[in-house]
Amino acid sequence: NAGVTQTPKFQVLKTGQSMTLQCAQDMNHNSMYWYRQDPGMGLRLIYYSASEGTTDKGEVPNGYNVSRLNKREFSLRLESAAPSQTSVYFCASSEAGQGDYGYTFGSGTRLTVV
Amino acid sequence: LAKTTQPISMDSYEGQEVNITCSHNNIATNDYITWYQQFPSQGPRFIIQGYKTKVTNEVASLFIPADRKSSTLSLPRVSLSDTAVYYCLVGDENTGKLIFGQGTTLQVKP
Repeated sequence: NAGVTQTPKFQVLKTGQSMTLQCAQDMNHNSMYWYRQDPGMGLRLIYYSASEGTTDKGEVPNGYNVSRLNKREFSLRLESAAPSQTSVYFCASSEAGQGDYGYTFGSGTRLTVV
Repeated sequence: LAKTTQPISMDSYEGQEVNITCSHNNIATNDYITWYQQFPSQGPRFIIQGYKTKVTNEVASLFIPADRKSSTLSLPRVSLSDTAVYYCLVGDENTGKLIFGQGTTLQVKP
């Protein structure tokens, strides 16, 4: 099925370890996004990429870096994981930069930092 | 950052119509209003989108007043499978970034 694919689905890290969350979409969308979801907090935007070659900070960018590798792929990197980064991470893509045509979300990555 | 406000939770019974309102006082002129549905352990799923007045699809209706500072998602004749969290998504006129509301947990009872 077409859509947004995230890997891995689950991950446990020790404090200080690094890892990269991968995201790929096959809908030829220009814009891609990374959100985190914590209990009672809804979804918060970490970083987004309005088009290939550009990235920008969202609401909660500290502790994260991103790479828009090409039009299909947008990765999120945790350089030194902290327990506060325990969360569910969702990648999304959309046709227009402002989400005028709606987002398509991946199924999420559940990350636990111990 | 712009803030959206939704009720934290709502209860309903099967077969009833449910209306969920989102307030978004700082919506940007060119931004659309989009609603999403999320089930546990899944990513949000697009339900409906509109700019002004009324939009209807096979799942829901969206009502937007002339000032666009709020929107109401209407779910006709809900069933148990409509139990989920519902989010409204609007732009932020100061940053241009898209902000989710805190979500409304809808519980449909038999």
